[in-house]
Amino acid sequence: NAGVTQTPKFQVLKTGQSMTLQCAQDMNHEYMSWYRQDPGMGLRLIHYSVGAGITDQGEVPNGYNVSRSTTEDFPLRLLSAAPSQTSVYFCASSYRAKNIQYFGAGTRLSVL
Amino acid sequence: AQSVTQLGSHVSVSEGALVLLRCNYSSSVPPYLFWYVQYPNQGLQLLLKYTSAATLVKGINGFEAEFKKSETSFHLTKPSAHMRDAAEYFCAVRNSGGYQKVTFGTGTKLQVIP
Repeated sequence: NAGVTQTPKFQVLKTGQSMTLQCAQDMNHEYMSWYRQDPGMGLRLIHYSVGAGITDQGEVPNGYNVSRSTTEDFPLRLLSAAPSQTSVYFCASSYRAKNIQYFGAGTRLSVL
Repeated sequence: AQSVTQLGSHVSVSEGALVLLRCNYSSSVPPYLFWYVQYPNQGLQLLLKYTSAATLVKGINGFEAEFKKSETSFHLTKPSAHMRDAAEYFCAVRNSGGYQKVTFGTGTKLQVIP
C-alpha cells in the first residue's frame, strides 16, 4: 500500500504566488487533515475533513483553502503565498476519530 | 478545550540509559492519547495510543506509556535507550466522541549519546 502520498516534496514560491499541495490516500479513510510544522510549535491543524464534501477549519486556517471531492484526495491551496507560510506541511488520514493517523512524508515549502 | 504540554524540548540520555519523556494533558472528557515519533526528514509514525482499555500501554520499539488520570499525565518511557531512538517525539490528545481535532504537543527531541 502507498498509504498517504504528498506531492511535491519541496517547493519554493515567490510572495503572492498560488499553488496546491496534493495529498492522496489509498486506505479508504474518512478523516483527513492538513498540519503545518514549525520549530518549537509542534504541529498545528490547518483544515480537516470528515468525509467527501465536508471540510472544516483548524486552528490556523487563514490563507489556505481545501476541498474534498473524493474520499482519496484532499488538496491544500495557498491562495497568495506569504513568507509566514514557509513551513513543513503534513497531510494525515485516519479511518475513524479514535483511530491513529497516518502521515505523509511532508512538503517543505519556502516562500521568498 | 484540550491541550498538551511536553516538558523539555530537548532530552539527552546515554545509550543504555532510561528514557523518560514527559507529557501532561488537559481534557474535559476522557481523552484518547497518542505518542508519535518523527525521524529526520520523515513524517510522524505512531508509537502507541491510549483509548481507555488499559492504563499501561505498550508500543513499538520497546516504548511504553502509563496513563495517570490523577496526574493528567501520559509519560513515555523506555528502559534502555538505543542510538536509533534519536528522533523527535510528539504527544497528542484527541477528545473522545465524534470527530475531534487532534492537538499536538510542541515535541521533545531525544539525543542518545554513545
